[in-house]
Amino acid sequence: DVKVTQSSRYLVKRTGEKVFLECVQDMDHENMFWYRQDPGLGLRLIYFSYDVKMKEKGDIPEGYSVSREKKERFSLILESASTNQTSMYLCASSWAGTSGATYNEQFFGPGTRLTVL
Amino acid sequence: ILNVEQSPQSLHVQEGDSTNFTCSFPSSNFYALHWYRWETAKSPEALFVMTLNGDEKKKGRISATLNTKEGYSYLYIKGSQPEDSATYLCAYNNQAGTALIFGKGTTLSVSS
Repeated sequence: DVKVTQSSRYLVKRTGEKVFLECVQDMDHENMFWYRQDPGLGLRLIYFSYDVKMKEKGDIPEGYSVSREKKERFSLILESASTNQTSMYLCASSWAGTSGATYNEQFFGPGTRLTVL
Repeated sequence: ILNVEQSPQSLHVQEGDSTNFTCSFPSSNFYALHWYRWETAKSPEALFVMTLNGDEKKKGRISATLNTKEGYSYLYIKGSQPEDSATYLCAYNNQAGTALIFGKGTTLSVSS
């Protein structure tokens, strides 16, 4: 059974704290993604990575950074958490195929609901 | 700006009703169109990935069609059941090596 796991389902942090959200996939996928989901706004891409140590900014990268030191693990970092980063965070992965494409279906983790007080 | 529009935003149907949703996307530089189902408290799961104009895919009572020339896809659910209640997400990819662009979803509620 293929899996994408996220380190926490629920997280409460204080403004200014450094927050790490971890994502691990066991499918040997090249591509990994971080999204946030807010009511009325849908899924918005924060960052994605198509290989170890590679990263690309998504639509809303401000206030976030990422790390991909190993193929199976993609971390999202909130350098100094703010209340407007309260959201549901979803990690996903996909197989790149032979062309390095990102069109293959994405497999999602269960999400982390982060509250910043 | 590349936009994916889904309609309706939400709908409520009775068990046994058939229903359909629409996804609109830019018709230029099309690469792939995805449909995902996202049930409450679960992870989004892929239903279909379609790449060719005229594609039709089916999984049980759910089917989807694709028109890349005019930039739309329809998702059909035949004989809706309460377990079909979920948010249905459409996502578009305009070239290889780029990430998916998601619509805001259509939330379906099926009453028994």
